Amino acid sequence: GAGVSQSPRYKVAKRGQDVALRCDPISGHVSLFWYQQALGQGPEFLTYFQNEAQLDKSGLPSDRFFAERPEGSVSTLKIQRTQKEDSAVYLCASSLYVRDASGNTIYFGEGSWLTVV
Amino acid sequence: GNSVTQMEGPVTLSEEAFLTINCTYTATGYPSLFWYVQYPGEGLQLLLKATKADDKGSNKGFEATYRKETTSFHLEKGSVQVSDSAVYFCALSRTGRRALTFGSGTRLQVQP
Repeated sequence: GAGVSQSPRYKVAKRGQDVALRCDPISGHVSLFWYQQALGQGPEFLTYFQNEAQLDKSGLPSDRFFAERPEGSVSTLKIQRTQKEDSAVYLCASSLYVRDASGNTIYFGEGSWLTVV
Repeated sequence: GNSVTQMEGPVTLSEEAFLTINCTYTATGYPSLFWYVQYPGEGLQLLLKATKADDKGSNKGFEATYRKETTSFHLEKGSVQVSDSAVYFCALSRTGRRALTFGSGTRLQVQP
């Protein structure tokens, strides 16, 4: 597709369930990001991939959060044993280059809305 | 650490009114500054950016000037339209960093 595609768009999980969120970046984009956006807040950085390598996972809030991008294209964000505080929109973004943000336009998907009940 | 503070919304204006959305930042070094916009039902889009002090970013009639002395990057538009209704996010990125630090967003509602 033309843009960053995320699925599912909406997910309701019972507390304690595992969830997996998928991101299809723009074809050919080297860089891939995951952000978490709580209600009424701005997005917060979770993790960054350059191709298949996860170069920065400093924003992952706990070891229940795990992300992968095994072939350097599609990425999955997995949350184990979900808690209510995990309820948020999870945004995926991609960019063509590996430059820093000042010289590298980042394209965002519409997000996956996760509600933990 | 790095942080971005922007004015709380919603901001409600009539069509053709002048818009200012305030944004201030805290960061070490010389960050790059951005405004992103999120239209209803769409993903975040880059609106404009500035990479050094006194730079002015502009796009679609919106402008923002990187003011190092006041650590600010206020968004302005001379005449808003209904189609500008959206949520606007101010963000920064430190030199050499790929991650963005966002403010909490300001919702703009423009009434006809």
